[in-house]
Amino acid sequence: EVQLVQSGAGVKKPGESLKISCQGSGYDFSTYWITWVRQLPGKGLEWMGTIDPSDSYTKYSPSFQGHVTMSTDRSITTAYLHWSSLKAADTAFYYCARHPTMLRPEFDYWGQGTLVTVSS
Amino acid sequence: QAVVTQEPSLTVSPGETVTLTCGSNTGPVTSGHIPCWFQQKPGQAPRTLIYDTTNTHSWTPARFSGSLLGGKAALTLLGAQPEDEADYYCVLSFSGTVIFGGGTKLTVL
Repeated sequence: EVQLVQSGAGVKKPGESLKISCQGSGYDFSTYWITWVRQLPGKGLEWMGTIDPSDSYTKYSPSFQGHVTMSTDRSITTAYLHWSSLKAADTAFYYCARHPTMLRPEFDYWGQGTLVTVSS
Repeated sequence: QAVVTQEPSLTVSPGETVTLTCGSNTGPVTSGHIPCWFQQKPGQAPRTLIYDTTNTHSWTPARFSGSLLGGKAALTLLGAQPEDEADYYCVLSFSGTVIFGGGTKLTVL
């Protein structure tokens, strides 16, 4: 059974760093890209960018370039989304989803979501 | 950057048919934009209903179908059920990026 399991909710202060995870199972992790999607409270879905676990090639949305970093660890079939300095505006749900090719948004399986709260 | 447009809200009566659309300010939506549709219920992660314009997953109820209609991508719900009340998002692929629509809140009433 294909699953994407995300790390639990996190509460951080502005300026702190955070790394959330998305662990894939039930399939060959290297053969599907992982996209990250943001959902601000009460708002719609936003494409943040995508990473190829086979070689860690990344493609970021211009809106998120430079503010987050995507990475993967194939040895534990896990993708990560990292902030070095959080802002209150980063408070949101974050979802990972897998898809077969870089800019084909044919997401089939999604993670359950991670709530990130940034508050002083 | 392109903008992907959806109806903010629609209401459908149980058993009736409704069509949600997904447009682009850059011109007609084509199969080359690889339109996909997602359903999201409150407190849940999104679930993919349609991919690559018309294709369904094993979990997609047969009453949902995707198409191109009048220069837009379309999601048609044939015979709405109360459990279909949810937010629906489309997504399009453009050169170098992927953009979600703002979502349609579908009420079944």
